[in-house]
Amino acid sequence: QKEVEQNSGPLSVPEGAIASLNCTYSDRGSQSFFWYRQYSGKSPELIMFIYSNGDKEDGRFTAQLNKASQYVSLLIRDSQPSDSATYLCAVNWGPGGTSYGKLTFGQGTILTVHP
Amino acid sequence: NAGVMQNPRHLVRRRGQEARLRCSPMKGHSHVYWYRQLPEEGLKFMVYLQKENIIDESGMPKERFSAEFPKEGPSILRIQQVVRGDSAAYFCASSPGARQGAHEQFFGPGTRLTVL
Repeated sequence: QKEVEQNSGPLSVPEGAIASLNCTYSDRGSQSFFWYRQYSGKSPELIMFIYSNGDKEDGRFTAQLNKASQYVSLLIRDSQPSDSATYLCAVNWGPGGTSYGKLTFGQGTILTVHP
Repeated sequence: NAGVMQNPRHLVRRRGQEARLRCSPMKGHSHVYWYRQLPEEGLKFMVYLQKENIIDESGMPKERFSAEFPKEGPSILRIQQVVRGDSAAYFCASSPGARQGAHEQFFGPGTRLTVL
């Protein structure tokens, strides 16, 4: 059973601070890792993906991947109240016999950014 | 440049009726995925399709659920003889296929199914 674990939170940070969201996964065969943001009652919105060890930056967002530790994180710099949402970590296991497209999601971390 | 489209956005059915959920992928995308989000639960994969082919249906319940993605027209998720436990948000996602080893999936707005 391939699993993705996230701290459900809620994580509360002040406006302007760095929010750090963490995710661990159970299987070393994982290939690609995704971060989505979901506002209440809305659909998931893709923030970024990463598939190589190290950091990947996109604007205020930085994804970090450590395959040896089976750990992926998302840093949000200069957090804004509009960043308040549930952040979903998703993992794609493939190729090599498993479905290449299937994503397995964590339960999500609720982030609250207070003014 | 339309995104993933789903209809209806809200669907109410009585127990025992059929529910049909439709999904049109983003332009240029040939891969479609269906996910279900039960109240207070995470997103769960149901099925992965390409045109006229089911690639992975490992997340589909064994009975009452089916999916298709015909050569022409939208992908359809069909739920027969709905029960109250089917009440959930059903999301469709699409991707262009593998690029740099990743399948970036973009989600539609979802269909909220309520079974009375």
